[in-house]
Amino acid sequence: EAGVAQSPRYKIIEKRQSVAFWCNPISGHATLYWYQQILGQGPKLLIQFQNNGVVDDSQLPKDRFSAERLKGVDSTLKIQPAKLEDSAVYLCASSLNRLNNEQFFGPGTRLTVL
Amino acid sequence: AQSVTQLDSQVPVFEEAPVELRCNYSSSVSVYLFWYVQYPNQGLQLLLKYLSGSTLVKGINGFEAEFNKSQTSFHLRKPSVHISDTAEYFCAVTGQGAQKLVFGQGTRLTINP
Repeated sequence: EAGVAQSPRYKIIEKRQSVAFWCNPISGHATLYWYQQILGQGPKLLIQFQNNGVVDDSQLPKDRFSAERLKGVDSTLKIQPAKLEDSAVYLCASSLNRLNNEQFFGPGTRLTVL
Repeated sequence: AQSVTQLDSQVPVFEEAPVELRCNYSSSVSVYLFWYVQYPNQGLQLLLKYLSGSTLVKGINGFEAEFNKSQTSFHLRKPSVHISDTAEYFCAVTGQGAQKLVFGQGTRLTINP
């Protein structure tokens, strides 16, 4: 069984530029999560999708972050414009459904904002 | 709302020694508890989980954890560690009923030969 795929693995940008991350969850997983992991901290949930609908985006900085999951499979997370404090690893995870608490994580995208 | 405190940010141990990584949680509802491991430049991998039933949970790679409701703890243990166990370990909690997963700050386990 293929795991959660993410790309790119690394990205370096200047502040005020925009960036996008892509995630392909495990086949058949209805629930998809985006986490932000700042160096030295645990992952923090940014947004949770159930199929193509948003379940929880309470911690997503909506003035600069956006995410979509068209067709209920792949997802993209965008930052526009980026700030220095957005430097972090962005992790994508998926689970069978909202009530299945086992989440499977991708390798993450490490973003550096200069 | 749930919260998690990992009591040690770093734990150095010698190879083949036992180790305990401590985790305390707070929650107003019944919880599910998890331990994840993160190797360098990789995503998180589930080590073990407590959903219900026996309070002693066995996971992969020889790890186990014990759920202690009275002390609101879920400490991770391994009787004999290997160099390959060097990684960051995260404790996480979620409440029953599709609530979000909340992670602790992580504990960096370093194994010295």
